[in-house]
Amino acid sequence: GAGVSQTPSNKVTEKGKYVELRCDPISGHTALYWYRQSLGQGPEFLIYFQGTGAADDSGLPNDRFFAVRPEGSVSTLKIQRTERGDSAVYLCASSSTEQNTEAFFGQGTRLTVV
Amino acid sequence: GENVEQHPSTLSVQEGDSAVIKCTYSDSASNYFPWYKQELGKGPQLIIDIRSNVGEKKDQRIAVTLNKTAKHFSLHITETQPEDSAVYFCAATSGRYKLSFGAGTTVTVRA
Repeated sequence: GAGVSQTPSNKVTEKGKYVELRCDPISGHTALYWYRQSLGQGPEFLIYFQGTGAADDSGLPNDRFFAVRPEGSVSTLKIQRTERGDSAVYLCASSSTEQNTEAFFGQGTRLTVV
Repeated sequence: GENVEQHPSTLSVQEGDSAVIKCTYSDSASNYFPWYKQELGKGPQLIIDIRSNVGEKKDQRIAVTLNKTAKHFSLHITETQPEDSAVYFCAATSGRYKLSFGAGTTVTVRA
């Protein structure tokens, strides 16, 4: 596609529920990143994929968060037993390689846990 | 890890005037410094970037300067227009992929 696509754009879920957030990167981009942005703050790194493997998941806050990229393209961020503190905008970005190249962001998924 | 501080948090300028946003970073190994513009309800958009082997870069009305010794870099917008109103983020990375962002600057251009 022309840009990074994220679905859904908005997600409201009840505390304790499971959610999946999808990211479709720019075609051909091997590097994919997830960031989380709280209100009034800059994005914070969660996880980085190079191809199918998670090369760095050091930013995931706890084991309720998990992400996959099984075919090296689309990625899914999964959050179990959601908590109100998980409410934020989840941003996905991709770049052609990992070597300090431009990272292009999607529009984000706004997650609200009620 | 890298710590990026950004100032000011808000900036209001008259249309046609210049806007300057400053950032400092902590990791002397950082070598890539992008700037992003984020409009309401949208994702961050890369507007300019600079690498550590360059001191200044310009693209039309936007310029970025980097002082490696002092570990700070700045964004300069000249001849501001209403469409420049947005939140601007600086970022830095020493790792090849993990960007550390500043807290953002809300720029308002008054017509």
